[in-house]
Amino acid sequence: SQKIEQNSEALNIQEGKTATLTCNYTNYSPAYLQWYRQDPGRGPVFLLLIRENEKEKRKERLKVTFDTTLKQSLFHITASQPADSATYLCALPPYGGSQGNLIFGKGTKLSVKP
Amino acid sequence: DAGVIQSPRHEVTEMGQEVTLRCKPISGHNSLFWYRQTMMRGLELLIYFNNNVPIDDSGMPEDRFSAKMPNASFSTLKIQPSEPRDSAVYFCASSFEGAYEQYFGPGTRLTVT
Repeated sequence: SQKIEQNSEALNIQEGKTATLTCNYTNYSPAYLQWYRQDPGRGPVFLLLIRENEKEKRKERLKVTFDTTLKQSLFHITASQPADSATYLCALPPYGGSQGNLIFGKGTKLSVKP
Repeated sequence: DAGVIQSPRHEVTEMGQEVTLRCKPISGHNSLFWYRQTMMRGLELLIYFNNNVPIDDSGMPEDRFSAKMPNASFSTLKIQPSEPRDSAVYFCASSFEGAYEQYFGPGTRLTVT
């Protein structure tokens, strides 16, 4: 079965630095991968989607890469701010699943210290 | 737009009782998902509806769990009888067919004692 691994449960960085979060997956190549942000007591919020034919995607201070050879996505937040502190989840469609289905990683909790 | 609406936000019940969680998806969205989130297992898909029809219920843990979507604007997830291991946060999410991103509700925190 598929596995998604976000290799850090927690990441602590200083304000202004770039945060880099990793998502690794096994067993097949998904057509796309998504990143979500989750704040305590709230539901996940969609941030970015990257397709298998896209190497990189940017949105404001966010950048996502997708390496289908390594089966890995990297999520970068540049010039990080304390307000970026949250848990970040990666998600991808399950092999053979219906369109729209997603399986989620357990997330990486990012803490940005002032 | 009000977003996905879930009720109740918190539910505390005793083992053996029936629990019903409710969800109103975003208007115009025709896919609806129920998830369960725990520290141990993360966010797990329970069931997925498309145009009010259950498409994939392979994540429903056992027969104690059931879900319905009688119309495009309402869905329920029922647990009967509830057990302490059902304690978790239950999320409902919706999406528009053809789009891939999902919009989550605020969740229902269920505690079964």
